[in-house]
Amino acid sequence: GNSVTQMEGPVTLSEEAFLTINCTYTATGYPSLFWYVQYPGEGLQLLLKATKADDKGSNKGFEATYRKETTSFHLEKGSVQVSDSAVYFCALSDRLTGGGNKLTFGTGTQLKVEL
Amino acid sequence: EPEVTQTPSHQVTQMGQEVILRCVPISNHLYFYWYRQILGQKVEFLVSFYNNEISEKSEIFDDQFSVERPDGSNFTLKIRSTKLEDSAMYFCASSEERGSRQPQHFGDGTRLSIL
Repeated sequence: GNSVTQMEGPVTLSEEAFLTINCTYTATGYPSLFWYVQYPGEGLQLLLKATKADDKGSNKGFEATYRKETTSFHLEKGSVQVSDSAVYFCALSDRLTGGGNKLTFGTGTQLKVEL
Repeated sequence: EPEVTQTPSHQVTQMGQEVILRCVPISNHLYFYWYRQILGQKVEFLVSFYNNEISEKSEIFDDQFSVERPDGSNFTLKIRSTKLEDSAMYFCASSEERGSRQPQHFGDGTRLSIL
């Protein structure tokens, strides 16, 4: 079956540091890939997505590139802020026969950014 | 920006009791989903719903679970006879169109605590 593997957290960085959160996946088909973010006390918010190989998703300074050859979708940001402290989830989307899709999530990586 | 809303934010229920979790998906969305996250574990797919019927369900979604769209706006998850292991955060999501490229939009979740 499909699966997503994320680096273990928590990741603690100083403000303005460079961020990488690794994500690799296993899929039988050709999935779409997503990063979701969960701020404390809130739900899952879509951060960015990529739907085909070599696509780069980007939002709020975060980027991730769909690498089919390495089955990876690593999240990066050049300069993190305290407000980026949250849990980040990598996910892949499988199409369902009924036409919807099903998300398979990684375990989540907690990011703490300190002054 | 339109959002998915879930009520209540926290539900405490005695074991063996029935519980109904409520969701209002984004109004023009056609596909609806429930996920759950047991504390410290991955977000897991439960069920998808389209055109007033279940499209797919996971092995977690056994006979004690049911979903319903009782009117044009609400989407509910019912657990008939709750067990301790049903304690989790339950997320509702919706997507606009069919296909794995469509992002799912999540609510803030309902924390279900079974005593």
